Amino acid sequence: SQTIHQWPATLVQPVGSPLSLECTVEGTSNPNLYWYRQAAGRGLQLLFYSVGIGQISSEVPQNLSASRPQDRQFILSSKKLLLSDSGFYLCAWSLSYGRDQAFFGQGTRLTVV
Amino acid sequence: GDSVTQMEGPVTLSEEAFLTINCTYTATGYPSLFWYVQYPGEGLQLLLKATKADDKGSNKGFEATYRKETTSFHLEKGSVQVSDSAVYFCALREEIKAAGNKLTFGGGTRVLVKP
Repeated sequence: SQTIHQWPATLVQPVGSPLSLECTVEGTSNPNLYWYRQAAGRGLQLLFYSVGIGQISSEVPQNLSASRPQDRQFILSSKKLLLSDSGFYLCAWSLSYGRDQAFFGQGTRLTVV
Repeated sequence: GDSVTQMEGPVTLSEEAFLTINCTYTATGYPSLFWYVQYPGEGLQLLLKATKADDKGSNKGFEATYRKETTSFHLEKGSVQVSDSAVYFCALREEIKAAGNKLTFGGGTRVLVKP
């Protein structure tokens, strides 16, 4: 069976500090991977998606970057966090073929202070 | 590009009331459509889906029909319960040539069911 791991669950970071959130998927190969952000009181915004190793598509200009160093590993990073980066970050995966659902990690609540 | 528009919340209902959450989409191809639900303190989970026009997805008393002519996928439930209080997200997944599949969500609708 497939599983998705996302960590840490909560994170409090000062403004200007770096960020690294990691997401790994088990039990499948060549998944599509996604990073979403859910800001307080707002909907779910697609930040990045990846269809393969080293292939990253950015949906919105921002202070964040993403990388996919391995097939089932997706990392969300920032060199210097802003207050506006606070939010709930969700990693997700879906099959690279077909039109089936996505599966979500439990999310990381990031508070930038 | 692709987009999903759903009615803004919050939607407040009494138990056993009828619930409708409107969702319309814009896509260049033939997407699959989904409703996801996020219960308080939990992650997103799939509620139902439809992969082609006129398909009806259903689960836990919720239903939604894929309407290509109106580009809509409205969510309905005939009699809500307090346990249905959650945030509901409409989403589409479209295959993009040479770019894999892209999953786009609406803004979410918070539903609060009061006893």
